[in-house]
Order: sequence, then C-alpha cells, then structure tokens
Amino acid sequence: DQQVKQNSPSLSVQEGRISILNCDYTNSMFDYFLWYKKYPAEGPTFLISISSIKDKNEDGRFTVFLNKSAKHLSLHIVPSQPGDSAVYFCAASGAGNNDMRFGAGTRLTVKP
Amino acid sequence: NAGVMQNPRHLVRRRGQEARLRCSPMKGHSHVYWYRQLPEEGLKFMVYLQKENIIDESGMPKERFSAEFPKEGPSILRIQQVVRGDSAAYFCASSSSGLSGELFFGEGSRLTVL
Repeated sequence: DQQVKQNSPSLSVQEGRISILNCDYTNSMFDYFLWYKKYPAEGPTFLISISSIKDKNEDGRFTVFLNKSAKHLSLHIVPSQPGDSAVYFCAASGAGNNDMRFGAGTRLTVKP
Repeated sequence: NAGVMQNPRHLVRRRGQEARLRCSPMKGHSHVYWYRQLPEEGLKFMVYLQKENIIDESGMPKERFSAEFPKEGPSILRIQQVVRGDSAAYFCASSSSGLSGELFFGEGSRLTVL
C-alpha cells in the first residue's frame, strides 16, 4: 500500500531555472511532511518540512507547498544549481516517526 | 563524527548465510528506525526501536529478520538464511523523540546476496 507517491521518477532542469518536484499522499492522518535529499552512496539528509497547519514553508532557495484538500505537496527550488542534482524523497508522518512513509523518489538533474 | 554510524557499508553474503548490520544512533538519540531500499524503490519502513524495546515492527518480514537495540551497544538488524531478494540498501535513522520530526540517517549498509 503506497501511501506516499512521487509519480515522476526523474526531472531535468537547466541551471538557474525552477525545479518543481511533486508528491501525493493518500492517508488523511498524515500531518507532517518532509523532503529529504540523497546523493549516491550517502544516506538521505533532511531538507525542509511543513506541518499541516501551514500551506507554505520557505528556506532560502527551497519552498514547500502543501495542499491538504488535494493531498498534494510540492518542493520548489529556485534558482536550481548543479549541486542540487540528487534524488529527492517526499515523506509524510502522523503521530510518530514510525508512521513516516516515503515516496519512491525523484531524481533531479540540473544541467549547467 | 557525531552522526548516525552504520557498518559495514558493504556486505556480501552467499545464500543461506547470516547478515548482521549495525547502527549507532546520533549522540543523545534513543529512537532508532531501520529502512530498506530496494533498487529503484523508495525507503520502506521496517522497524522502530528504543533502548531494549521493539516499539513497532510492522514493516519487518515475519521470518528470518530480527532487530534489537540493547542497553549497551549499537542496534543490530539480523537477517538469517539470506536470499537474493534480500539484496538492498539498509538505512538506519535516529531521532531524539518518537514524535513526528526530522530523522537523521546513516550512510546505509549495502547487502549483496550471491
């Protein structure tokens, strides 16, 4: 049962442009959402999060948007840089971290 | 390095052997989570442990897999009688609280079953 879905396995963007990564979830009990970034041969690292009481959270070049009615969140990276090239995982959780579920990931490639 | 430490980074086993993966959580963290990543797939939750207790093992296969987090020492994920389908990257994460928040991941242990 895939409760968190990232339907785009890959995305390619030109340096300086905006990258938009999308994520959908099915469990209405999820109330905390995170994005993790993963480089090859490394573990995922936390990037940005948002709780269900907000619809937008911004941290530098990274902004996460949450649409609760659509059960959809997105990560915007602007401007995109080659160093942003990585796999991005969307995650959602409910009451506890053991409820955290991850999407399959989207591989972002930022071309110079 | 005060981060989550996993070892070995790479482990090769033949079918039928045992695999033991170790995880030392970040300093001050008492909550440990194990995830498995199969090729081209996301991270699948396996088990959540606190010191000496398994809190949630709903993602753990019923047979051959076990986990522990003793009072002293690292958390261990043990896979008995490995099969080729066990080949995957196994990630450990830790947190200071069991409540929803950021997880800190180790670099993973890549298991290859020949």
